[in-house]
Amino acid sequence: DAGITQSPRHKVTETGTPVTLRCHQTENHRYMYWYRQDPGHGLRLIHYSYGVKDTDKGEVSDGYSVSRSKTEDFLLTLESATSSQTSVYFCAISEGLAGANEQYFGPGTRLTVT
Amino acid sequence: AQKITQTQPGMFVQEKEAVTLDCTYDTSDPSYGLFWYKQPSSGEMIFLIYQGSYDQQNATEGRYSLNFQKARKSANLVISASQLGDSAMYFCAMRDPGYSSASKIIFGSGTRLSIRP
Repeated sequence: DAGITQSPRHKVTETGTPVTLRCHQTENHRYMYWYRQDPGHGLRLIHYSYGVKDTDKGEVSDGYSVSRSKTEDFLLTLESATSSQTSVYFCAISEGLAGANEQYFGPGTRLTVT
Repeated sequence: AQKITQTQPGMFVQEKEAVTLDCTYDTSDPSYGLFWYKQPSSGEMIFLIYQGSYDQQNATEGRYSLNFQKARKSANLVISASQLGDSAMYFCAMRDPGYSSASKIIFGSGTRLSIRP
């Protein structure tokens, strides 16, 4: 199994509060991704990173920011959580040319915004 | 724009039977990759199999095979001799080649497979 951990695994927070989710990998992969999973939508890409301090937006990036100060860590921040951000969040890593290889996923974080 | 379609929201199959999960895709790029992932009720995403658009043969991994029909733009997953542990949600996905800084994967909406004993 790829060495990917996510913390916290579960979180309940109130509307308007900031929240940071952490993804940590021990594989030294260059590419890292944040997805959210909602019923009927599969997985949708929020942000991704192609190196330390190199990040870009995915298809559902509004309301989210990311940072990557070290190869092994990729942080996802909800600046001011809203109920629509209640979801399961997955981190993934990949390698290969431009990250073209298969992605390996972390265990997920279940976030509830009340 | 690239798109992945899984038309079977749910399927029931008898244990030990073979099962085919449908996936069609749409892309105008000649270079792409197709993936299947399994998500059991415990929630983790498990990579199963990969097919490249230029691969001449269908991919196989143990009991999993990918029935790749390029002209029809389909990439169906075949599971032989199904087991109770195969009960899960299955996602088809395609690598969006793009030409940005990193490859991205787009996912279908999934098929929930239930194996009956």
